[in-house]
Amino acid sequence: EVQLVESGGGLVQPGGSLRLSCAASGFTFSSYWMSWVRQAPGKGLEWVANIKQDGSEKYYVDSVKGRFTISRDNAKNSLYLQMNSLRAEDTAVYYCAREMDCGGDCYYMDVWGKGTTVTVSS
Amino acid sequence: SSELTQDPAVSVALGQTVRITCQGDSLRSYYASWYQQKPGQAPVLVIYGKNNRPSGIPDRFSGSSSGNTASLTITGAQAEDEADYYCNSRDSSGNHLNWVFGGGTKLTVL
Repeated sequence: EVQLVESGGGLVQPGGSLRLSCAASGFTFSSYWMSWVRQAPGKGLEWVANIKQDGSEKYYVDSVKGRFTISRDNAKNSLYLQMNSLRAEDTAVYYCAREMDCGGDCYYMDVWGKGTTVTVSS
Repeated sequence: SSELTQDPAVSVALGQTVRITCQGDSLRSYYASWYQQKPGQAPVLVIYGKNNRPSGIPDRFSGSSSGNTASLTITGAQAEDEADYYCNSRDSSGNHLNWVFGGGTKLTVL
């Protein structure tokens, strides 16, 4: 079964750090771009970051640039999100998702984890 | 970065047809994909590409696009279709490797 399982969420004070993990199974993890997507309480989905198959390219939404770092370990079938200098507005459920490319003008996220909750509060 | 715009809320009578729309400049370059999210659950892909449904998604869900607008149509809406629906696409501004999501549409089945 194709599966993504996030972990590492929790309560952290403003300015603190947290590292999220996403364990992949049931597919060849090293063949796919991967993304982190978050959802603040009562709000919509927001793309956070993505990473190329070999980790050589990484992209971020402007609001997290310089604070968050996406990485992966293909040997461990794992995706990570290191979050530093956390702010109250980073409070959200964080999902990892697999990216798919069906050619040229067609891209989508076909597999999602159940999410892990990050709360930034004093 | 680009934006995708969705109506915040739409309602449909049980068994009737409803269309949820998504507008944005990125949709001139990329197909939208559509996700269904029920309370407390992760998003689920329902439509991608020109009009493709993943395995397990009922054929009452369909997609279309024209210009800068993508649409998700539910033909014969069921009670279990009540959910939030989000569109997304690659962001055509900048490097084309970022993503953008619509703000979501809350669908109520009456």
